[in-house]
Amino acid sequence: GQNIDQPTEMTATEGAIVQINCTYQTSGFNGLFWYQQHAGEAPTFLSYNVLDGLEEKGRFSSFLSRSKGYSYLLLKELQMKDSASYLCAVVDSNYQLIWGAGTKLIIKP
Amino acid sequence: DAGITQSPRYKITETGRQVTLMCHQTWSHSYMFWYRQDLGHGLRLIYYSAAADITDKGEVPDGYVVSRSKTENFPLTLESATRSQTSVYFCASSVGTSGPNTGELFFGEGSRLTVL
Repeated sequence: GQNIDQPTEMTATEGAIVQINCTYQTSGFNGLFWYQQHAGEAPTFLSYNVLDGLEEKGRFSSFLSRSKGYSYLLLKELQMKDSASYLCAVVDSNYQLIWGAGTKLIIKP
Repeated sequence: DAGITQSPRYKITETGRQVTLMCHQTWSHSYMFWYRQDLGHGLRLIYYSAAADITDKGEVPDGYVVSRSKTENFPLTLESATRSQTSVYFCASSVGTSGPNTGELFFGEGSRLTVL
């Protein structure tokens, strides 16, 4: 079966750095998405990786290793507004999107 | 020009009733999707559509019906609501120039449905 694993919950301190991991086992790979979802709101797009390596976008970076079936989202200079769930999703060989259950990130002052 | 909108935002209904959730997008995106989100689960795809009059089942289609007579609208109907269909429903759209999930998804605000 196809599977996406993410930690259920993480806690970090305002101003610090946090890394949210995502490992996947899917039938094929055509890209990996990260979305942010604040409580009670819709998911919003953060990043898309299809090639190995690190992509940086402001305070957020996303890394992909296709050989290891692994990605992480790195959040720097954490702010209280970063408290949200972070969803990892993989596009499989049939271009279907497989979603992880999400990681709830709690930021403490 | 809100992009993608859903209605109603909140709905309470009773078991056995028919419910329709509406979704409208103003971008002329080819692909539209209906997801449900429940605690402990990732987003689960109910149905999707590649264009007007083209729809396909997702992971959890049973008990749901969709139609897409116009590019901008993609209503989801629960023919006879059950308690297990209590959930938050998200409509989404994407440009998808190379396939259904080759571009970012733009989500509506969600419709919170409670079936008593």
